[in-house]
Amino acid sequence: EVQLVESGGGLIQPGRSLRLSCAASGFTFDDYAMHWVRQRPGKGLEWVSLISWNSAYIDYADSVKGRFTIWKDSAKNSLYLQMSSLRPDDTALYYCVKGCTLGGSGGSCYSNWGQGTLVTVS
Amino acid sequence: QPVLTQPPSASGTPGQTVSVSCSGGSSNIGSNTVNWYQQRPGAAPKLLIYSNDQRPSGVPDRFSGSKSGTSASLAISGLQSEDEADYYCAAWDDTLNGPHVIFGGGTKLTVL
Repeated sequence: EVQLVESGGGLIQPGRSLRLSCAASGFTFDDYAMHWVRQRPGKGLEWVSLISWNSAYIDYADSVKGRFTIWKDSAKNSLYLQMSSLRPDDTALYYCVKGCTLGGSGGSCYSNWGQGTLVTVS
Repeated sequence: QPVLTQPPSASGTPGQTVSVSCSGGSSNIGSNTVNWYQQRPGAAPKLLIYSNDQRPSGVPDRFSGSKSGTSASLAISGLQSEDEADYYCAAWDDTLNGPHVIFGGGTKLTVL
């Protein structure tokens, strides 16, 4: 069974940094693209960042480019999101999601979602 | 900023068929596949339809998707109370600037 467990969220002051983690299990971590998707309170879904299966392709939404960094540690089957210069509008539930396609580099198909970790910037 | 446009709300009575539309452009729906997600209250989103019209294992065949040109649609037949949820469409966007994955604003489905 695929499991994605996020951690690292919390209350943080504007301008500070925070690192989110996602522990993955139940699938071959290196075979799939991984993404972060966020949801502001009471709002819709917003794609944040992606890393391809082999880490060769990385991309960010304009709203976080230059402030957030995504990477993964294959030895630990973990995905990370380093968030810097946090702003109040970064307040959201951050989901770790697994791409659908074996060997995928992007796309909008997400077969599995974690339960999310809440980041509050205030 | 590329966007996918969905109606904010939809409703139906048990047993009815309801449809949710998702309108985009040539750089997203017009040239890439559409995926649909269901998000029940308090839960994480769940993949409902992928590649325009494919159902993942475990998704009832009451749910169906279609795409035509720059628009897509999700249909739910035999509406059930458990279908009350938010529904989001998503697509890859090929615009050089802006997000490369875009979601619709979501449609809140109420089962009357």
